Amino acid sequence: DAGVTQSPTHLIKTRGQQVTLRCSPISGHKSVSWYQQVLGQGPQFIFQYYEKEERGRGNFPDRFSARQFPNYSSELNVNALLLGDSALYLCASSLWTDTQYFGPGTRLTVL
Amino acid sequence: KQEVTQIPAALSVPEGENLVLNCSFTDSAIYNLQWFRQDPGKGLTSLLLIQSSQREQTSGRLNASLDKSSGRSTLYIAASQPGDSATYLCALRGGSQGNLIFGKGTKLSVKP
Repeated sequence: DAGVTQSPTHLIKTRGQQVTLRCSPISGHKSVSWYQQVLGQGPQFIFQYYEKEERGRGNFPDRFSARQFPNYSSELNVNALLLGDSALYLCASSLWTDTQYFGPGTRLTVL
Repeated sequence: KQEVTQIPAALSVPEGENLVLNCSFTDSAIYNLQWFRQDPGKGLTSLLLIQSSQREQTSGRLNASLDKSSGRSTLYIAASQPGDSATYLCALRGGSQGNLIFGKGTKLSVKP
């Protein structure tokens, strides 16, 4: 069975630009969460979606937004990129509150 | 506010040693706790999940314990191998809201 997939693998943007990251959960999983991991730190929670509804939001500015589609895939959008947004963005899927399975991540570099 | 701490930040051991990684948390009202492995530049691989009602979980050479009253979890790795070299992260879920709160991780290096 396919695990969690994320695209693209790597992305380079300049300050002020906008970016969209994509995630496909494990088949049958209805919950998708997004995390940001900067170098040397543990992942920080950004959003959780379950059944296409936002169920949780971390302490991130409004420049960050997300949505979940009817097939349970998800997109994370970041507007007006800052240098500090450079990080590994991780997507995780689960049935709900049980084991979370993570994708390989998208490495975003903001120049 | 829940805080998760992992000590030490880095650990180097010779191959074959048994070792223990530590994770502490400030609020004992947790829903479950999960241990992950992360290879450099990669995503997270789930190792073990312990529900709040459980005391330990085992998978192969790995054993994770949970003591909510003292706010601690440990990950025991038996007979360490060079392939175990990675960063190990613990994360807990504080309630019915499904997000995980992570520690900063322990970087493990197993020398041949």
